[in-house]
Amino acid sequence: DAGVTQSPTHLIKTRGQQVTLRCSPISGHKSVSWYQQVLGQGPQFIFQYYEKEERGRGNFPDRFSARQFPNYSSELNVNALLLGDSALYLCASRDTPAANTGELFFGEGSRLTVL
Amino acid sequence: TQLLEQSPQFLSIQEGENLTVYCNSSSVFSSLQWYRQEPGEGPVLLVTVVTGGEVKKLKRLTFQFGDARKDSSLHITAAQTGDTGLYLCAGFRSYIPTFGRGTSLIVHP
Repeated sequence: DAGVTQSPTHLIKTRGQQVTLRCSPISGHKSVSWYQQVLGQGPQFIFQYYEKEERGRGNFPDRFSARQFPNYSSELNVNALLLGDSALYLCASRDTPAANTGELFFGEGSRLTVL
Repeated sequence: TQLLEQSPQFLSIQEGENLTVYCNSSSVFSSLQWYRQEPGEGPVLLVTVVTGGEVKKLKRLTFQFGDARKDSSLHITAAQTGDTGLYLCAGFRSYIPTFGRGTSLIVHP
């Protein structure tokens, strides 16, 4: 079975541009969450979606937005890119968000570089 | 403010040595998970601990959850080069995970 897939794997943008990152969860998983991992730090929670609804939001500015589609795939959008947005963006899926014990299955991430 | 403090941040040891990584917080968590992340990959779950005082063993890895569910430790016995990676703890509250900064472990042959 395919794991969590993310695209693109690497991308370079300039300040002020906009970026869209995509994530396909494991088949059967209905919850997707997004994380930002800056070099040398742990993942920081951005969003959690379940059944196409936002179920949690981290401490990120409104430039960050996301959505989940009927097939449970998800997109993360970042507008007006800043140099500090350079990071590895991770997507994770799980079968339900309504548990504090469920395993998060991560993709390999999208490495964003902002110049 | 980092809700979960991990220590040490870096660890470089020889194969066969023992080590302990700590994850501490002033907040209570419903559960805590440990993940390992290798370069170019996403984190992979090692263990979930739920009950205060719980101890779980996974081959050479021993995980402990503090009695007050605010802290945890990961102990590796006789480290191997394959243990090299970034070890992350994640505390769950209201179904949302908070990750620590991570402990980067390098095991030399």
